[in-house]
Amino acid sequence: DAKTTQPNSMESNEEEPVHLPCNHSTISGTDYIHWYRQLPSQGPEYVIHGLTSNVNNRMASLAIAEDRKSSTLILHRATLRDAAVYYCILKLGSQGNLIFGKGTKLSVKP
Amino acid sequence: DAGVTQSPTHLIKTRGQHVTLRCSPISGHKSVSWYQQVLGQGPQFIFQYYEKEERGRGNFPDRFSARQFPNYSSELNVNALLLGDSALYLCASSPRGAGNTEAFFGQGTRLTVV
Repeated sequence: DAKTTQPNSMESNEEEPVHLPCNHSTISGTDYIHWYRQLPSQGPEYVIHGLTSNVNNRMASLAIAEDRKSSTLILHRATLRDAAVYYCILKLGSQGNLIFGKGTKLSVKP
Repeated sequence: DAGVTQSPTHLIKTRGQHVTLRCSPISGHKSVSWYQQVLGQGPQFIFQYYEKEERGRGNFPDRFSARQFPNYSSELNVNALLLGDSALYLCASSPRGAGNTEAFFGQGTRLTVV
């Protein structure tokens, strides 16, 4: 399975943008880039996914490098409720299972 | 709309016993996956079922088994429980089994083996 590399932890101030990086240098052409987050004592929650083009939804934006070897999850204005572990996952196009790494623990300061 | 529901929410079992965990997917979702999350780690994939057939299996021993029913609900069974099986077991459902769809997770079942 293709691997992802993320920083163990990041800090942000409330109402400021947050850029969460992910490296995936071994990505293949059929791998989708998915982001999930997990709040304390809850199951993971889908955030966003993409293949080649940048994506926006109500929660976040996903910026994908032209060579697809890295991506960045962008939270435009962090809130205290965004404090969670964020997982960057490569998902094979034909399969449905997610391979989680250790993720990035995001702390948001008021 | 009801999300993914799992039962029970918590349970305590003794080493060597058997346990059955249950999952009801979101209505209309045909794919169900199971994950094990040990404290401090990310979830680890156990099984995926799509249209009642096993589509994927993670690196877990044969003590772990699962099935999906005609109504797309699913059970995860673990035999001969070990202390190391203590974890949060998560179920996720998706409308399809493909990589370009999002998964919706339940709140999990917290299993403690003593």
